[in-house]
Amino acid sequence: EPEVTQTPSHQVTQMGQEVILRCVPISNHLYFYWYRQILGQKVEFLVSFYNNEISEKSEIFDDQFSVERPDGSNFTLKIRSTKLEDSAMYFCASSVESQDYGYTFGSGTRLTVV
Amino acid sequence: RKEVEQDPGPFNVPEGATVAFNCTYSNSASQSFFWYRQDCRKEPKLLMSVYSSGNEDGRFTAQLNRASQYISLLIRDSKLSDSATYLCVVNNANAGKSTFGDGTTLTVKP
Repeated sequence: EPEVTQTPSHQVTQMGQEVILRCVPISNHLYFYWYRQILGQKVEFLVSFYNNEISEKSEIFDDQFSVERPDGSNFTLKIRSTKLEDSAMYFCASSVESQDYGYTFGSGTRLTVV
Repeated sequence: RKEVEQDPGPFNVPEGATVAFNCTYSNSASQSFFWYRQDCRKEPKLLMSVYSSGNEDGRFTAQLNRASQYISLLIRDSKLSDSATYLCVVNNANAGKSTFGDGTTLTVKP
């Protein structure tokens, strides 16, 4: 079964440092997403990406966040200057056509900011 | 009011029981609906889409009532492996995102 692959599985970083979370979506999927889940809380939308541009973003996705699809396979989330409250599980997801078809999620990157 | 509201749970049921989860959504323009399952510290996995006509997948039945803005998931003959958190997910028309409920935790006991 096709998978969404995320690396690393766990990243520890110091407050103020930049981190890049990497994702390889399913190859024939066209829509890409980042969600996050703070421990014990709900899954929260960050950003959606289609046709090489952001199609929607949440209030969480401020100027510290950016996304990129640098080549035909990778989809990255960059956090420029991490804060303690950025500690969470970050999930990448992809969808074959749109969110109306449901997502396939990657296994997540656990980000710990110290 | 939350965009997506679920039964808080937790639900603790014996094996073989039938259990139902409810979910309400606030935006009448919502156009697609899903149930996901999330195991502890794992990613959400799509369980099933929810249609107005209702749909069934083995022991699982999902229903949508657009008039009442209500979604349900019924699990029959519960198995130990059904223990997980069940997430109600709603997509709004023209929105490039899905909104997740807080989840309802199910524990099936022997």
